Amino acid sequence: GENVEQHPSTLSVQEGDSAVIKCTYSDSASNYFPWYKQELGKGPQLIIDIRSNVGEKKDQRIAVTLNKTAKHFSLHITETQPEDSAVYFCAASKRSPGTASKLTFGTGTRLQVTL
Amino acid sequence: EPEVTQTPSHQVTQMGQEVILRCVPISNHLYFYWYRQILGQKVEFLVSFYNNEISEKSEIFDDQFSVERPDGSNFTLKIRSTKLEDSAMYFCASRGQGKSGFSNQPQHFGDGTRLSIL
Repeated sequence: GENVEQHPSTLSVQEGDSAVIKCTYSDSASNYFPWYKQELGKGPQLIIDIRSNVGEKKDQRIAVTLNKTAKHFSLHITETQPEDSAVYFCAASKRSPGTASKLTFGTGTRLQVTL
Repeated sequence: EPEVTQTPSHQVTQMGQEVILRCVPISNHLYFYWYRQILGQKVEFLVSFYNNEISEKSEIFDDQFSVERPDGSNFTLKIRSTKLEDSAMYFCASRGQGKSGFSNQPQHFGDGTRLSIL
C-alpha cells in the first residue's frame, strides 16, 4: 500500500521567514495530494491541495509543488505569522470516479513561528 | 460554512464496554470516512463508506468495529468490547462528489472524539 514520509518532524522559524515541509510517497498511482493544518484540539483542516496533472499551485502565502517523477511534494509558507504555528500533515490518495479514495497521511510537522 | 460535527467530544469507557461515536457529515456529501489518531502519531485510515456500504477498510478495522448510516444524516462508528489500545482521537470525514461524478472534492474533517479506555 501507499506510504508517505514527511520531513522535518519539527520546524522552528522566525516570524516573516519562509517554511518548507517535504513529503515523499511510494505509490506512483497516487494522483491527489492535500495538505492539512491541525491546531490543538481540532481536526485536520485542508489548506491546499494539488492534483497530479499540475506541478505547482499557490494560494496567497501558501504554495505546493509536486514532482511526479521523484514522487515528492512540498508545502511552502512565505511570510510566516504566529498563527501559522500548528501541526501540518501531507497526504496522498488515488482518486478515481465513484470511489471513496482514502487518504494516507504523513507523520506530521510541528511548525513553530517565533516572534 | 458547513462542517462535520462529532459527538461526544470526549468519551471515557471501561475496557470491554461498547462505544458508539457519532458524526453528522456535511449534508450533501456522499462519501464518509473514519480515521483515528493515537496521541502524537499520524492520522490513520479506518474505513470508508459510500452508497450505504463499506468501500474500503484497513487492517485496524477488524470485527470489533462496525459503521452505520442509520437515518441518512448520522454516520456512526461502533467499537465492541473496547481495548486499552483503542484509546485515540477518532475523526469523521466526509466528501462531496464533484462535477461529472469525478472525485475532485476534498475531505472535510470533524474535530474528533477523544476516546479514553480505562
